[in-house]
Amino acid sequence: DAGVIQSPRHEVTEMGQEVTLRCKPISGHNSLFWYRQTMMRGLELLIYFNNNVPIDDSGMPEDRFSAKMPNASFSTLKIQPSEPRDSAVYFCASSTGQLRSEKLFFGSGTQLSVL
Amino acid sequence: AQSVTQLGSHVSVSEGALVLLRCNYSSSVPPYLFWYVQYPNQGLQLLLKYTSAATLVKGINGFEAEFKKSETSFHLTKPSAHMSDAAEYFCAVIKGGSQGNLIFGKGTKLSVKP
Repeated sequence: DAGVIQSPRHEVTEMGQEVTLRCKPISGHNSLFWYRQTMMRGLELLIYFNNNVPIDDSGMPEDRFSAKMPNASFSTLKIQPSEPRDSAVYFCASSTGQLRSEKLFFGSGTQLSVL
Repeated sequence: AQSVTQLGSHVSVSEGALVLLRCNYSSSVPPYLFWYVQYPNQGLQLLLKYTSAATLVKGINGFEAEFKKSETSFHLTKPSAHMSDAAEYFCAVIKGGSQGNLIFGKGTKLSVKP
């Protein structure tokens, strides 16, 4: 299995531009999570989906952020318009969604820099 | 509300020395606790997890952690550090009743000196 696949690995954009981050979870996994990692705040959960339905989006910082999961094999996190403070590493993770205690499988992340 | 606190943002040990990374938790219910490791430019990987089955939990790469309710701690240890252990380590607890919704500590960066 290829694991959780995120694209792009690096994104550099200018303030005000739209940014779209992509994630392909592990096949058969029913839960998908978007995390953001910064030096100041550490790892924060932005949103998670179960069976393609958003379950908890309380971590989404502002209306500029939106996430979709149109099918079981694809999710996007969009920032529009982007701001310099959005610069961070964004991780996608997936799990089977069967147990509370099961582990998450993380992608390699997207390093976002907003100039 | 659940939370974890990692003591020490940076720990440095010599190769062959004991590794001890500290994590204290706060939870109003019996917690599910995890340790994840992040190597440079990679995502997180699960080292081990506690789910109330046994207080001493063994994980991958020779790491283990002991759940101590009286101390509300879940410290991560390894008897002998290896250069390849250099990474950032995160303690985490599940938020409330949510499946997989992890609350992470700020992380501890482990350096291993030759």
